[in-house]
Amino acid sequence: DIQLTQSPSTLSASVGDRVTITCRASQNIETWLAWYQQKPGKAPKLLIYKASTLESGVPLRFSGSGSGAEFTLTISSLQPDDFATYYCQQYESYSPVTFGQGTKVEI
Amino acid sequence: QVQLVQSGAEVKKPGASVKLSCKASGYTFRDYGIYWVRQAPGQGLEWMGWISVYTGNTKYAQGLQGRVMMETDTSTSTAYMELRSLTSDDTAIYFCARDRDVFDVWGQGTMVTVSS
Repeated sequence: DIQLTQSPSTLSASVGDRVTITCRASQNIETWLAWYQQKPGKAPKLLIYKASTLESGVPLRFSGSGSGAEFTLTISSLQPDDFATYYCQQYESYSPVTFGQGTKVEI
Repeated sequence: QVQLVQSGAEVKKPGASVKLSCKASGYTFRDYGIYWVRQAPGQGLEWMGWISVYTGNTKYAQGLQGRVMMETDTSTSTAYMELRSLTSDDTAIYFCARDRDVFDVWGQGTMVTVSS
């Protein structure tokens, strides 16, 4: 199975900060990586797919980069609505699909 | 609009089975597969499996093989996931999601509590 390791696990930040979350894969997944945002009690929301393609309707302050085994999600200027947990997910292998352990962005 | 609406919360005793539903609307059901993902309290996301609505083919997480079954009813645009021989470790929120290679539309989740 392809393992995904996110860092940090928790991130303390303030409104307006630039925030970067890293996701490392245990093997080359090219650009088959997605990022999701999840708020408490809600389903995850797709933010980015193919490592850097912004899903329709997602604010431009979110961006993704990387290829191979190292990826980043960047929020250029943190907004109050962005305090949430973020997950990366690989889909290079569908059996199984795997997620990172999550990064909680808190005040 | 495209949406997935899941069935309501369930409480089950250890050893029982649960069958959850996920009703799709706003798109052609056959054109996309359905994923199932679960999330134990305070934990991360765990992929449970996938079903092709078009062919009925399935892939299940290795740890759930033999206990999980996924199926669809195209006449009602509904996907189902049945999990058998429940234990307390199966207490979680269960999500269905549309397969666009990624999980682009999610259901609201169904809480399953396994308790004696």
